[in-house]
Amino acid sequence: DQQVKQNSPSLSVQEGRISILNCDYTNSMFDYFLWYKKYPAEGPTFLISISSIKDKNEDGRFTVFLNKSAKHLSLHIVPSQPGDSAVYFCAASAQYSGGSNYKLTFGKGTLLTVNP
Amino acid sequence: GAGVSQSPSNKVTEKGKDVELRCDPISGHTALYWYRQRLGQGLEFLIYFQGNSAPDKSGLPSDRFSAERTGESVSTLTIQRTQQEDSAVYLCASSPRLWRVTDTQYFGPGTRLTVL
Repeated sequence: DQQVKQNSPSLSVQEGRISILNCDYTNSMFDYFLWYKKYPAEGPTFLISISSIKDKNEDGRFTVFLNKSAKHLSLHIVPSQPGDSAVYFCAASAQYSGGSNYKLTFGKGTLLTVNP
Repeated sequence: GAGVSQSPSNKVTEKGKDVELRCDPISGHTALYWYRQRLGQGLEFLIYFQGNSAPDKSGLPSDRFSAERTGESVSTLTIQRTQQEDSAVYLCASSPRLWRVTDTQYFGPGTRLTVL
């Protein structure tokens, strides 16, 4: 029972173009969402997050959009750079809904390749 | 400053043997997490240590898995009588605070465990 789904295992884009990574979730208790980036042989690093009270959060080249009614979020990277090539994980938690807000539920990840 | 470190980086063992994985969190971090990532899967929550409170062990997959942490220092994850399905990358993360922990988890590079 996968509660966070990243249906695209890989994505390839050209340098300078937009990268759009998608994530769907099924648990309506999730109210806080995060994106982590992972390079080979390293641990994931936090990239950007969004609370369910917002529909957009922007940080430099990275923007996360949340569509609660569709239970869908996306990460936009503009412009994409070769150094962005990594695995991107979507994660969710029930931050404000009570219970164990420290538990993150992760998707399987999407391998982004940005070609020079 | 130093990040989260884990040892060993790689471990190959025979089925039925016990293994011990070590995590050194960032100094002063109160919270510590263990995750597991099996091939082609997302990260699975295993256990959470919160200061001196009782740990949340709800993610441990069987009683062959156990973990300890002394105060706010090093943690060890022990797997007894390893099975082939235990093969995975085991990731440790630490967090400086007990609230808003979901956006401040700092991950180590992981230990890749292979059970033959």
